[in-house]
Amino acid sequence: QVTLKESGPVLVKPTETLTLTCTVSGFSLSNARMGVSWIRQPPGKALEWLAHIFSNDEKSYSTSLKSRLTISKDTSKSQVVLTMTNMDPVDTATYYCARIIAFWSGQYYYYGMDVWGQGTTVTVSS
Amino acid sequence: DIQLTQSPSFLSASVGDRVTITCRASQGISSYLAWYQQKPGKAPKLLIYAASTLQSGVPSRFSGSGSGTEFTLTISSLQPEDFATYYCQQLNSYPFTFGPGTKVDIK
Repeated sequence: QVTLKESGPVLVKPTETLTLTCTVSGFSLSNARMGVSWIRQPPGKALEWLAHIFSNDEKSYSTSLKSRLTISKDTSKSQVVLTMTNMDPVDTATYYCARIIAFWSGQYYYYGMDVWGQGTTVTVSS
Repeated sequence: DIQLTQSPSFLSASVGDRVTITCRASQGISSYLAWYQQKPGKAPKLLIYAASTLQSGVPSRFSGSGSGTEFTLTISSLQPEDFATYYCQQLNSYPFTFGPGTKVDIK
């Protein structure tokens, strides 16, 4: 059974750095067709894709948040870590990690986020 | 970045209705589009990938179509458990943006 679980602080102060960990089970972070994405959702608002990392260590970031985000993985620990610097109250949100998988269509690979963690709520306040 | 718009933002429908949600991309994304369903307080669930391929375990009343810049998600006969918010996501190029969502509510 594939599961992902987010962990990290519930409350951070403005200007602090947020560190979130996604611990996965049921698959390996070295699997060539898989990776992990981070997504967030402010209260009552839409989903926002933040970053992802693939098995080959390929990384990508949200354009608007790129300067503040760092994603990394520890395959031996089955963990993906996201850090976000200079936190602000507008960063208050539920943060999700999700497995991104490449589905083979017979001709091309297509991606989808097929398994999600339960999410962790982060509040930014002094 | 590729921008996605969804219409309508909100729709009110009855059990048994046929429901269609549209997602438009600011530039062509071939068939690199996924649809997700999210219920309050829960993580999103993958419904469709590659614009029209049903994820394993998803009921066949859900279907997707389109390519390029215009896509649709159709629920052929709305069931009580389908009242939720639906998001499209493009996975053609980074960053993998989401649409703003369509909330389907009970009439």
